[in-house]
Amino acid sequence: DIQMTQSPSSVSASVGDRVTITCRASQGISSWLAWYQQKPGKAPKLLIYVASNLQSGVPSRFSGSGSGTDFTLTISSLQPEDFASYYCQQANSFPLTFGPGTKVDIK
Amino acid sequence: EVQLVESGGGLVQPGGSLRLSCAASGFTLSSYWMSWVRQAPGKGLEWVANINQDGSDKYYVDSVKGRFTISRDNAKNSLYLQMNSLRVEDTAVYYCARYSSSWGGFDPWGQGTLVTVSS
Repeated sequence: DIQMTQSPSSVSASVGDRVTITCRASQGISSWLAWYQQKPGKAPKLLIYVASNLQSGVPSRFSGSGSGTDFTLTISSLQPEDFASYYCQQANSFPLTFGPGTKVDIK
Repeated sequence: EVQLVESGGGLVQPGGSLRLSCAASGFTLSSYWMSWVRQAPGKGLEWVANINQDGSDKYYVDSVKGRFTISRDNAKNSLYLQMNSLRVEDTAVYYCARYSSSWGGFDPWGQGTLVTVSS
């Protein structure tokens, strides 16, 4: 099974800050990676697929990059509605696996 | 509008059974793979199972193999998860999600249904 790790596990940031979250796969997954945002009590929402493709309707301040084993999600200018948890997911092979999540909260 | 609505969650004793349903609307269910993903209270996301368009191909996470069965009824626009021999560690919110076989992820997701396994 492919193990996914994320860092940091949590980050405190202010509105307007640039935030970068890192996701690492235990083996190469090419670009088969997705990112999701989840707010408390709500279902996850797709942000990015195939490492760098922005899902329709997602603000352009979100971007993804990486390939192989190392990936990043960047929020260029944090907005109040971005305070949430973020999860990466490898889409290379079954079993599909998620990272443990990164919580972005208000500094 | 694409919509997924789960139902069937509740409180069940260890060793018991429960059947979750997911009603799909706004798209042609028979054209898509579908998935169940769960989230234990305060924890992260865990993929549970996938099923292909006609139900002939299924995948499960190891921890539920032999206990859970994913199925679908395209004529009823519905996805199901039959859960048997439930364990305390199966306690979670269970989400139904549309799976893209093109890029390997989930979009959209239902609102989730809570399953609590406790004596």
